[in-house]
Order: sequence, then structure tokens, then C-alpha cells
Amino acid sequence: DGGITQSPKYLFRKEGQNVTLSCEQNLNHDAMYWYRQDPGQGLRLIYYSQIVNDFQKGDIAEGYSVSREKKESFPLTVTSAQKNPTAFYLCASSTAVNTDTQYFGPGTRLTVL
Amino acid sequence: QKEVEQNSGPLSVPEGAIASLNCTYSDRVSQSFFWYRQYSGKSPELIMSIYSNGDKEDGRFTAQLNKASQYVSLLIRDSQPSDSATYLCAGHTGRRALTFGSGTRLQVQP
Repeated sequence: DGGITQSPKYLFRKEGQNVTLSCEQNLNHDAMYWYRQDPGQGLRLIYYSQIVNDFQKGDIAEGYSVSREKKESFPLTVTSAQKNPTAFYLCASSTAVNTDTQYFGPGTRLTVL
Repeated sequence: QKEVEQNSGPLSVPEGAIASLNCTYSDRVSQSFFWYRQYSGKSPELIMSIYSNGDKEDGRFTAQLNKASQYVSLLIRDSQPSDSATYLCAGHTGRRALTFGSGTRLQVQP
């Protein structure tokens, strides 16, 4: 099956901890994205990557970091500098950044204890 | 002005009726447009994309784009209770990733 997987589905973080959210795709897509969704809100862009070893900040990158060492993988680290990390995190991919359709993974729900 | 704006709703329609969802966008959003459906607690799933002025039909769904007036709409014919969800409008802003509206919640009453 082709698709995008995210793990874990639920994640709990203590204050001051860094946590890493996994995103893997086997669609052979070049571009990958991370969005954050808060209750009753739309999606806000955290980071995106057009090709391996390259990524750009989105609208709300502070307190987050990413890497893109492989085409298939785009992990997101939520650092202790992110003051309000409780949210639903969505990973997406597409064949190009500008015009092509983005497809989403199932999401990770992060809660700070 | 937000780049993509939607009425948050809820929009309530009876089963079998036409649901009309609207979205306006700013000058910074200028290329392709997308409608996604999101059930509560789930990730968005693509319904339709539209790139040029006019209508695009796919089954019970019709997307309409009017670049002069800067709006894009989604019509759902013969609405079903299973269509009850939040509908997200999104557009491209040049070299950036998609910019999303906050979504319109649709309720289809049996």
C-alpha cells in the first residue's frame, strides 16, 4: 500500500522534554510538509522540504526542528522551546511544492502533561 | 486580511439538499485551490482541486473558482449525513506550501 505513515498516534510530553514525531512516505514524493492544527482552527505550516537535505521554515517554526536525510522520511522534533506544543500534528507530501496536491498522513496528537 | 477565509459555521442543511461552502482569498493566493474534508479527530482528505476559472464537477461535488472576485466555492448535491464534517479550503501562495482557511463545519440533518 502506498501512503504516508505517522507515529506515534498519541504522544505525551512532560515539560522541558524534546520529542520527535515520525513521518514516512512511500509515494516517491519529493516534497514533504509539517502542519499544526489547534482545536477549531485551520492548519498552520511549521516546516517544509522540497528535496533531500533542504528545508524551509513555515509560519510557526519557532520551537521546532526538522531533518530530511532521506526522501522517504521527514521527522519533526518539538523542543522544550515550544511553549504551547499541545496540538494535532499533520505530515503531508506532494510531487512538487508549488501546485501539486498534498496528501496527508493520519496525524499525531501531542499532549503536554 | 487573512490569506484564505472561511465562515466557521456550522452550516446546517437537511438531508438531500445542496450544501454551499464558500471561501475567499487574498491577492497573495494566486494559483491552484483545494477542498479537503476533515472528520473529527482525523486528518484532511482531498475532495477536489481546481486551477482555472469556472466549474469542475466530480460526482456529487462541484468546485467553482472566480479569480476576478477572488472566491472559490464547493457545492455538495444530495447531501448525506456522512457528509457532516469540517471542510477546509486551501490555496498556494507562489513558492510556499498550502495556506489553509480555518474551515467550515457542515451538519447534514437526517
